[in-house]
Amino acid sequence: EIVLTQSPGTLSFSPGERATLSCRGSQSAASRYLAWYQQKPGQAPRLLIYDASSRATGIPDRFSGSASGTDFTLTISRLEPEDFAVYFCQQYASSPPMYTFGQGTKLEIK
Amino acid sequence: QVQLQESGPGLVNPSATLSLTCAVSGGSVSSFNWWSWFRQPPGKGLEWIGEVYHTGTINYNPSLKSRVTISIDKSKNQLSLMLSSVTAADTAVYYCARGKTGFDAFDSWGQGTLVTVSS
Repeated sequence: EIVLTQSPGTLSFSPGERATLSCRGSQSAASRYLAWYQQKPGQAPRLLIYDASSRATGIPDRFSGSASGTDFTLTISRLEPEDFAVYFCQQYASSPPMYTFGQGTKLEIK
Repeated sequence: QVQLQESGPGLVNPSATLSLTCAVSGGSVSSFNWWSWFRQPPGKGLEWIGEVYHTGTINYNPSLKSRVTISIDKSKNQLSLMLSSVTAADTAVYYCARGKTGFDAFDSWGQGTLVTVSS
């Protein structure tokens, strides 16, 4: 079973700053298909990044994703006020078929 | 643009069966997509419940498999979720979502529906 660890649980930044969020997977043989989602209070998750580094349709280019082994990173180059939200990473394992989420990182305004 | 809309009772008695439907518009459940159900307890993270393909292939989260039934109705263009023997731990916002073709991610989500298990 894949375990995704997002740390820290909360990050504080000011608008305009660069934010880097981390997601570490527990299995080196796990899929590279890591996805990132943004969730605002009372809303459904919104797909930001898939395949570790591909931006979903309509996502601004200030959002980017990268991978190094089992370590995945979501970078927001210049924080806008609307970017303060909770971010989840998600990965797939095939045996048995299973989708796993990290516990989330809350991005709050400093 | 595909849209998903969950519906069902907002309050379910303990030990009863939770039943939800997800209506799909602007797209077809018979497309080359998997369709999934998720849940999120208040203030907590996301949990995948299971997925269905229009051919009838279904996969369940092993931790819920004994209590979950997911189905797809191509004539109504919707999918359904049933969760039996519910307890307070099953209280959550339940979402349906579309799997992104060819990738293990979910690109369209319903708005979610809160289901509370309480007598």
